[in-house]
Parts: sequence; C-alpha cells; structure tokens
Amino acid sequence: NAGVTQTPKFQVLKTGQSMTLQCAQDMNHNSMYWYRQDPGMGLRLIYYSASEGTTDKGEVPNGYNVSRLNKREFSLRLESAAPSQTSVYFCASSLVDRAYEQYFGPGTRLTVT
Amino acid sequence: AQSVTQLDSHVSVSEGTPVLLRCNYSSSYSPSLFWYVQHPNKGLQLLLKYTSAATLVKGINGFEAEFKKSETSFHLTKPSAHMSDAAEYFCVVSEEGSQGNLIFGKGTKLSVKP
Repeated sequence: NAGVTQTPKFQVLKTGQSMTLQCAQDMNHNSMYWYRQDPGMGLRLIYYSASEGTTDKGEVPNGYNVSRLNKREFSLRLESAAPSQTSVYFCASSLVDRAYEQYFGPGTRLTVT
Repeated sequence: AQSVTQLDSHVSVSEGTPVLLRCNYSSSYSPSLFWYVQHPNKGLQLLLKYTSAATLVKGINGFEAEFKKSETSFHLTKPSAHMSDAAEYFCVVSEEGSQGNLIFGKGTKLSVKP
C-alpha cells in the first residue's frame, strides 16, 4: 500500500516548455487534489476532482490543466511553463465524505528558468 | 470568506519544554479546523481535527488543540517537546459543504533545541 505517489520528484524546465505531473493513489479514494506550496504562503489549491469524471478550479488555476484519468490517477499539466510556476507541487486524496482528511504525496519540486 | 492566521512564523523551544503554536481563524459559518504537520522534505500529515464535537481535541504524538469560539482561536499545544517534533505546522480551516476546499495558514516552523 503505497498511499499517494507522485512523479517526478524533481524537474527543471525552461520557460515555455510543457510537462505533466503524475499522481496516483491506491486507497480507493474518490477525491483528489493538486496544491502548490511556496515559501511563506502555505498551500494553495490549484484544482480538485471530487469524484471520477469531475474537475473544478481551486484558488490558483491559471496556467494549469488537469485530467482525472481514472479513479486512481490525477495529472497536472503545465502547457507553457513560467518562472512564477517554480514551486513544490503536492497531490492529495481523500474519501468524499471525509474531505478534510487528505493524504498527501511526497511532492514534486519544479524549477522553471 | 474563511481564513486562518498563524501568529508566529517560527517558534523555537528546548526539548522537554511545552509547545504552543497559535492560530486564529475567520469563518462565517461553522468551521472545521485542523492541524497538519510537514516534516522536512515530506508531504503533509493530519495531526488532529475539530469538527464541532468536543472543543478539546487530541491528536497524534501527544499534541492537542482547543477550539475557543469566543476568541476565534485553535492553538496547538504539547506538554513536552521532543526532537522529532521539529517540523512545519499548518493550521487549516474548511467550511461545511466546501467539498474539501481546505484553506491553509502560512505555517509555523517549530525548532527544538537539545
């Protein structure tokens, strides 16, 4: 039981490049989330998927797209990376009726130069 | 709109002394409040939760927090700090019906000196 896994762990991109961050969970959770963490800012929600087949914008969705591929997987795509997207990205999952209790992956540290 | 304010960005204590991490919240409705902990280079882990039951909430590793509506506070305490408690702690609020939209405070980094 791996919990929430994220790939890659580290990534360096040049401005304008694209990439997809992968997230998978094996806890049979319905809901999945993407956050970014910046120094002194706490975590901010980018997108979430309350259940398979649905996605919704969070606090900071601009510049990102998401895909809920199936119940287990939720990916985050940067179409044209910008230096302002340099951050640590966390994926999380939860049961739909315990959405406050989120289980987090180890994070992806992304640098955009 | 709901929000949380963590009053200290950094707290330093000696091992064996009490820990107090302060959090104030703002919410229009009945809030649910949580503390999450993040150890270095790790993801976040739920430490404890308040969801309108008992106002004194016990969590993992000896931590507890008290919900005080009159003071709009939810401070995190531990009687005796351990070296392994060194981490960043986030106070979090979620409103009923928000579909898990958690609002995080900016975090308090706890250092524990030997």
